[in-house]
Amino acid sequence: GAVVSQHPSRVICKSGTSVKIECRSLDFQATTMFWYRQFPKQSLMLMATSNEGSKATYEQGVEKDKFLINHASLTLSTLTVTSAHPEDSSFYICSARGLPGQRNTEAFFGQGTRLTVV
Amino acid sequence: GESVGLHLPTLSVQEGDNSIINCAYSNSASDYFIWYKQESGKGPQFIIDIRSNMDKRQGQRVTVLLNKTVKHLSLQIAATQPGDSAVYFCAEILSGRLYFGRGTQLTVWP
Repeated sequence: GAVVSQHPSRVICKSGTSVKIECRSLDFQATTMFWYRQFPKQSLMLMATSNEGSKATYEQGVEKDKFLINHASLTLSTLTVTSAHPEDSSFYICSARGLPGQRNTEAFFGQGTRLTVV
Repeated sequence: GESVGLHLPTLSVQEGDNSIINCAYSNSASDYFIWYKQESGKGPQFIIDIRSNMDKRQGQRVTVLLNKTVKHLSLQIAATQPGDSAVYFCAEILSGRLYFGRGTQLTVWP
C-alpha cells in the first residue's frame, strides 16, 4: 500500500504555544487530505478535508482559526494547533487520498501524532 | 456529518473461528465504503473497500458485504487469528469526505 508519513509522532507543548503537524504522501500524489482527532477508545472524528491548492473544508464545530490547515502541494499538508490548551490534547491522524479513477483512491493513513498540552 | 455507526462495540471470538463485524450507515448517497483496522497507538490500516455498485468483495481471509436496501455493511474474517485483535472501523466516502463509524473491538482468544 501507499505510504503516508506523519511527523512528529509525539509532541508535548506548553499551554498557549502553537504546534505544527506534517503529513506527507511519499509515493503518490494526494489530491485530498483528511485530518482527524481521536480520543481514547473512541472513533476518528473528521476535523477537515483539504484539497491541494484550495482552502480546507471544516466540519461543523471545528474552529478553523484554531486548527489551521495548509495543503500547498500534492504531497504535503500541515495542521497547526494554535494557542494550544490542555483540552486540545489528543491523537491527531492525517489521511491522504489520490484522485478517483487513479491508483491509490483509497485513503491511507499516517501513524498519528500524540499531542499533550501541559 | 458522520452517519456511519456500528452495531456492536465489542466482539470476542476463539482462534480459528470466523468473525463478522457489522456496520450500519444512514446516507444512501454514500458511494464508497472502506474497512479499517486500528491497533493501539497507530493509524488505521486499510483492509478492504467496496463501491456502492457492488454487493460483495473478497480479499485474503476477508469479505465485505454491502446491502444497500437496508444500508448495512459487514466484514467477515475467516479463520480469525490472534493478530486480528484490534479495533475495526467502517468508513464511508460522502461528498468527498471520509467519515468513520464507532468502531468494534475484536478480541481473539487462543
